[in-house]
Amino acid sequence: EVQLVESGGVVVQPGGSLRLSCAASGFTFDDYAMHWVRQAPGKGLEWVSLISWDGGSTYYADSVKGRFTISRDNSKNSLYLQMNSLRAEDTALYYCAKDIAEDTAMVFDYWGQGTLVTVSS
Amino acid sequence: EIVMTQSPATLSVSPGERATLSCRASQSVSSNLAWYQQKPGQAPRLLIYGASTRATGIPARFSGSGSGTEFTLTISSLQSEDFAVYYCQQYNNWPPRDTFGQGTRLEIK
Repeated sequence: EVQLVESGGVVVQPGGSLRLSCAASGFTFDDYAMHWVRQAPGKGLEWVSLISWDGGSTYYADSVKGRFTISRDNSKNSLYLQMNSLRAEDTALYYCAKDIAEDTAMVFDYWGQGTLVTVSS
Repeated sequence: EIVMTQSPATLSVSPGERATLSCRASQSVSSNLAWYQQKPGQAPRLLIYGASTRATGIPARFSGSGSGTEFTLTISSLQSEDFAVYYCQQYNNWPPRDTFGQGTRLEIK
């Protein structure tokens, strides 16, 4: 059974930093690209970032480019999101999601339950 | 930038009836279109990809159609568990950019 478990969400002040983690199990982690997708309270879904299976390629939404860094450790079956220079508009539930294809398809077939990041003074 | 527009924002349908949800792209996305279902307090679930291919374990009452700029998600006979928010998502452009529609809330009539 595929499982994705996010952690690391807390309340942080504007301008602060945070690192989210996602522990993956139930599939061959280093075969698939992985994503972060977020959802502000009461709002829709926003794709945030993508990392290829080997970590060699990364992509970001314009809203987070230059502030967030996605990474992975295939030896630990883990995905990360380093979030710097946080803003109030980054407040959201952050989901870790698996790509459906071994070469990136941008289709998310499994999702974690999310970890809540609140940016507030 | 491709803008995905879903309609209606809210759809009220009685259990057992058919629901038809629409998604329009501001430019062609070919068949690179997915649908997700999200229930309150839950993560989204993939329903359809490639515009019409059901994901693993998705009941046959869910079907997707369309290509280019116009897409439809049809739920043939609504069950109580189908009342949720539905999102369409395009994955045609590269590198990835804005990808999701704003959602359609399907509520019990």
